[in-house]
Amino acid sequence: KAGVTQTPRYLIKTRGQQVTLSCSPISGHRSVSWYQQTPGQGLQFLFEYFSETQRNKGNFPGRFSGRQFSNSRSEMNVSTLELGDSALYLCASSLTDLTDTQYFGPGTRLTVL
Amino acid sequence: KQEVTQIPAALSVPEGENLVLNCSFTDSAIYNLQWFRQDPGKGLTSLLLIQSSQREQTSGRLNASLDKSSGRSTLYIAASQPGDSATYLCAVSNSGNTPLVFGKGTRLSVIA
Repeated sequence: KAGVTQTPRYLIKTRGQQVTLSCSPISGHRSVSWYQQTPGQGLQFLFEYFSETQRNKGNFPGRFSGRQFSNSRSEMNVSTLELGDSALYLCASSLTDLTDTQYFGPGTRLTVL
Repeated sequence: KQEVTQIPAALSVPEGENLVLNCSFTDSAIYNLQWFRQDPGKGLTSLLLIQSSQREQTSGRLNASLDKSSGRSTLYIAASQPGDSATYLCAVSNSGNTPLVFGKGTRLSVIA
């Protein structure tokens, strides 16, 4: 069974640009969540999607957005990038919700210059 | 607001040693607790999930215990190996479908 995949694995952008990250969950998983990981703040929850609807949202500004497609694949978008957005962005999938075992992808390393 | 703390932040042990990693949380009304492993620059791998009604879970050389009333969990690793070197994170889920709250992890180095 294929694991969670994320593309691209690495990205370099400049301030003010926007970026879109993609996540394909494990087949049959319907809940997809996104996390930002930085050395200072650790892992912070961004949002969770289920059946194409945002079900939970963390405390991030509106520049961070996401969506989920009918096949459960998900994308997150960050607009007007800031230096502080440099981080490892992790996607996780689970069968139905956040209380199930979470399966994480390898992450996308975003560097903002 | 739930807060999760992991102490120590880093730990170095010789190969073969048994060791315990600690996780504490401020709100004991948790739904479950998960332990993860993260290798450098990689995603997280789920190791064990303990429901709030359980006291422990075992998988191979790993044993996780949960004491809800005291707000603590421990991850016991038996006969450590260099391949166990990684960062170990614990995360708690409060009632219902609420986001996981993660600790900042313990970076473990097992020296051959």
